[in-house]
Amino acid sequence: EPEVTQTPSHQVTQMGQEVILRCVPISNHLYFYWYRQILGQKVEFLVSFYNNEISEKSEIFDDQFSVERPDGSNFTLKIRSTKLEDSAMYFCASSLGQTFNEKLFFGSGTQLSVL
Amino acid sequence: DQQVKQNSPSLSVQEGRISILNCDYTNSMFDYFLWYKKYPAEGPTFLISISSIKDKNEDGRFTVFLNKSAKHLSLHIVPSQPGDSAVYFCAAGGNYQLIWGAGTKLIIKP
Repeated sequence: EPEVTQTPSHQVTQMGQEVILRCVPISNHLYFYWYRQILGQKVEFLVSFYNNEISEKSEIFDDQFSVERPDGSNFTLKIRSTKLEDSAMYFCASSLGQTFNEKLFFGSGTQLSVL
Repeated sequence: DQQVKQNSPSLSVQEGRISILNCDYTNSMFDYFLWYKKYPAEGPTFLISISSIKDKNEDGRFTVFLNKSAKHLSLHIVPSQPGDSAVYFCAAGGNYQLIWGAGTKLIIKP
């Protein structure tokens, strides 16, 4: 079965540094998402992306965050200047269709630790 | 702003019995609800969904019930199996954004 892949599985960085989290969505999917889960808390929506632009973003997704689809396969999340509170598990997801009731396929996540 | 609430952080059920996971929501505009299952160190995986025009959806051992007047949905797993031990997330919303509950950790005892 096709799957969403995320790299790296773990990322440790110093506060104030830039990080890029990488994702390869399922090849025929058109909609891409980033979610995060802070340890012990709920899964939170960050951003959705379609047709090379952001479709929707949450309050969490401030100016420190950006997303990009640099080529036909990768989908990246960049955090420009990391803060301690950015430490979380970041999940990439993709879906074939537009509405949220299309099944989302998630990657296994990148655990980001900001020291 | 907890639009989707899962009030039980954990639930322990005997193997072979029924597991019932509950979820409450506050936004009457939600028109689609989903359950995801998550194992440690893995991403969430889709389990089952229900549209607001229905009150029940069944898929094998999994059944989701929706009570719109009470703004409540539940996931029934019967019979429960050891592989069902995981964290279950309820999610709701529309368009691109899903609002997630905090999850319920289900433990199936042998």
